[in-house]
Amino acid sequence: ETGVTQSPTHLIKTRGQQVTLRCSSQSGHNTVSWYQQALGQGPQFIFQYYREEENGRGNFPPRFSGLQFPNYSSELNVNALELDDSALYLCASRGGGASYNEQFFGPGTRLTVL
Amino acid sequence: AQTVTQSQPEMSVQEAETVTLSCTYDTSENNYYLFWYKQPPSRQMILVIRQEAYKQQNATENRFSVNFQKAAKSFSLKISDSQLGDTAMYFCAFIQIQGAQKLVFGQGTRLTINP
Repeated sequence: ETGVTQSPTHLIKTRGQQVTLRCSSQSGHNTVSWYQQALGQGPQFIFQYYREEENGRGNFPPRFSGLQFPNYSSELNVNALELDDSALYLCASRGGGASYNEQFFGPGTRLTVL
Repeated sequence: AQTVTQSQPEMSVQEAETVTLSCTYDTSENNYYLFWYKQPPSRQMILVIRQEAYKQQNATENRFSVNFQKAAKSFSLKISDSQLGDTAMYFCAFIQIQGAQKLVFGQGTRLTINP
C-alpha cells in the first residue's frame, strides 16, 4: 500500500509569484485535505476535496485554490504569493469504512517566499 | 467554532519515565473524534491514538493511553516507558463527524526524551 506523497519537498518563490503543490493520495482514498503549518504552529485547514469537488474551506483567501483529479491526486495553487505564505503545506487523505475519520498525512512541502 | 488548546509548549523527561501531555478543547458538537498526532523532525504527521467521543472507555495503544474527560472537555496523552524515539512535536486534534471533516489542531507540545 502506497502512502501519501507530496512534491516538491522544498520550494523557494518570490513575492507575487504563483506556486503549485502536488499530492498523491493513499491508495483507495477519495478525500484529500490541505493544511498550512506556519513555523511553530499547529496546522490550519485550507480546504478539502471529495470526488473532485471542494466540500469544505477554512479561512483562506480565494488566491488559495485547488483541484482533485479522477485518480484522487490533488493540487494546491497559491497566486500572488505573500511573505506570510511561507509555511509547511501538508496534504492528508482518507477513505471510507472503518478509517472514515482517520487522515493520513504526507511529508509536506516546505514553501519559502522571499 | 471549535478550538483546541495545549498549555504546555515544551516538556522534557528522562528515558523510561512516564509523561503526560495536556489538551483541552471547546465544541458544541456531541459527536466527534479526538486525536494525538506526533510530528518528528522529518515533518511527517503520524497518528498516535484516537478516541471516539461516544466511547467512555479510554483508548490505549501499547505505551500510549489517553484520559478522556468529556464533560470537562479534556483529552490528555500519557506516554509510559518513554523512549528516545518519542522525541517530537505532539499535536492534539479534534474532528467533528458532521460537515467538512476538518481537523482542528492545537499549538503543539515539543517533547524531548533525554538519555
